[in-house]
Amino acid sequence: QVQLQESGPRLVKPSQTLSLTCSVSGYSMNSRVSGHDPHWTWFRQAPGKGPEWIGFLSSSGGPSYNPSLQSRATISVTPSKNQFSLEMTSVTVADTAVYYCARGNAYWGPGILVTVSS
Amino acid sequence: DIQMTQSPFSLSASVGDRVTIFCRSSQTISRSLNWFQQKPGKAPKLLIFAASNLESGVPSRFSGSGSGTDFTLTVNSLQPEDFATYFCQQAFTSPFTFGPGTRVD
Repeated sequence: QVQLQESGPRLVKPSQTLSLTCSVSGYSMNSRVSGHDPHWTWFRQAPGKGPEWIGFLSSSGGPSYNPSLQSRATISVTPSKNQFSLEMTSVTVADTAVYYCARGNAYWGPGILVTVSS
Repeated sequence: DIQMTQSPFSLSASVGDRVTIFCRSSQTISRSLNWFQQKPGKAPKLLIFAASNLESGVPSRFSGSGSGTDFTLTVNSLQPEDFATYFCQQAFTSPFTFGPGTRVD
């Protein structure tokens, strides 16, 4: 069973960089299964709002990001650690949200609340 | 961006009821539509993908239909564990946008 778990600082100051890591278990990120190209994905959800797709990274198509983030987000993969990461630069209070990592749409981590505040 | 709308915003139902939730996209998305269920403090859970395909492990009382711009999620014989918020998401083109949600209580 694939499981994901987010980790990282829960409090970030405005203008700083948000850095989160997603640890994957039950699936090897080094595996190359024919026809299977998982999308390592990040979502977020502001309090009382619907989810927002941040972006994903896949081995076949490279990265894809939500243009609304104005190039502030970067997703990277570290297969040797079975982890992938999100960095978001120049954060503001509007970036306060629960951040979720996921494999595609079917497997999600439990989420981590990140608050942007001075 | 493709805008997603849902109706109703919320609905009151009882165990055993049949519940239908509507989702509309601002432009045609073929059948590239996912439905999620979310309970308080939990991650969204994928119920249906590609408009009508039941995700593995999801009870058969959940069903989806539609294509183009109009979609529905139906829950037959609502169970106590089905009281939650439901979101639709278009998977047609980036950015993959979600609807505002429908709360079932």
